Amino acid sequence: NAGVTQTPKFRILKIGQSMTLQCTQDMNHNYMYWYRQDPGMGLKLIYYSVGAGITDKGEVPNGYNVSRSTTEDFPLRLELAAPSQTSVYFCASNRQAEGYTFGSGTRLTVV
Amino acid sequence: DQQVKQNSPSLSVQEGRISILNCDYTNSMFDYFLWYKKYPAEGPTFLISISSIKDKNEDGRFTVFLNKSAKHLSLHIVPSQPGDSAVYFCAARNYGGSQGNLIFGKGTKLSVKP
Repeated sequence: NAGVTQTPKFRILKIGQSMTLQCTQDMNHNYMYWYRQDPGMGLKLIYYSVGAGITDKGEVPNGYNVSRSTTEDFPLRLELAAPSQTSVYFCASNRQAEGYTFGSGTRLTVV
Repeated sequence: DQQVKQNSPSLSVQEGRISILNCDYTNSMFDYFLWYKKYPAEGPTFLISISSIKDKNEDGRFTVFLNKSAKHLSLHIVPSQPGDSAVYFCAARNYGGSQGNLIFGKGTKLSVKP
C-alpha cells in the first residue's frame, strides 16, 4: 500500500517555466489537497478536491491550477513559475472526517 | 489572520521529561483538532486527534487536552524520547466550512536531548 505518492521530489525551475507536480493515492480517498509550506510557516492550502471532477480554491490559489479526472490523481500545475513559488509542496488525501495522509513532498526552487 | 496559532517556534526538553506543546485557536466553529508530526524531508504524519465534544484523548505516551472556553489545546508527551524530535503541527477543522479542510498552525520544533 503506497499511500500518497508525489513526484518529483526535487525540482529547479527558471522564472517563467511551467511544470506539473504529480500526486496519486491508492487508498480510494475522495478528498485530496495541495498545500505549500514556506520556511517557518505552516501549511497553506492551495487547492482541494472533494471528488473526481470537482476542484475548489484554497487560501493561496494564485499561480496554480489543478484537475481531478480520476479518484487517484490530483496534479498541480504551475504555468509561469515565479520566485515566490519557491516552497515545499505537499499533497494529501483523506476520507471525510478522517485525518489526512500526506505525501513526502516536492521541494521546488524557482530561480 | 491566523486562526490556529502555535506561539512557540521551538521547544527543548531532556529525555525522559514531559514535553508540552501548545496551540490556540480563534474560530469557535472548529469541531475537530489534530496533531501532526513532521520529520525533515518527509510529509507530516498523523499523531493524535480530539473531537470538540471531549476534553482529553490519550494514546500511549501522547495525550491531547482541549479547553474550549480558553480556545486552547495542548499535546503532552510523557516520557519524551530523542525520536520524538520533530516539528509538530496543530490543525483544526471547521466542519461548517470546506469539507475536510484543515487549518494548520506554523508548527513547533521539538528537540529532545539525550
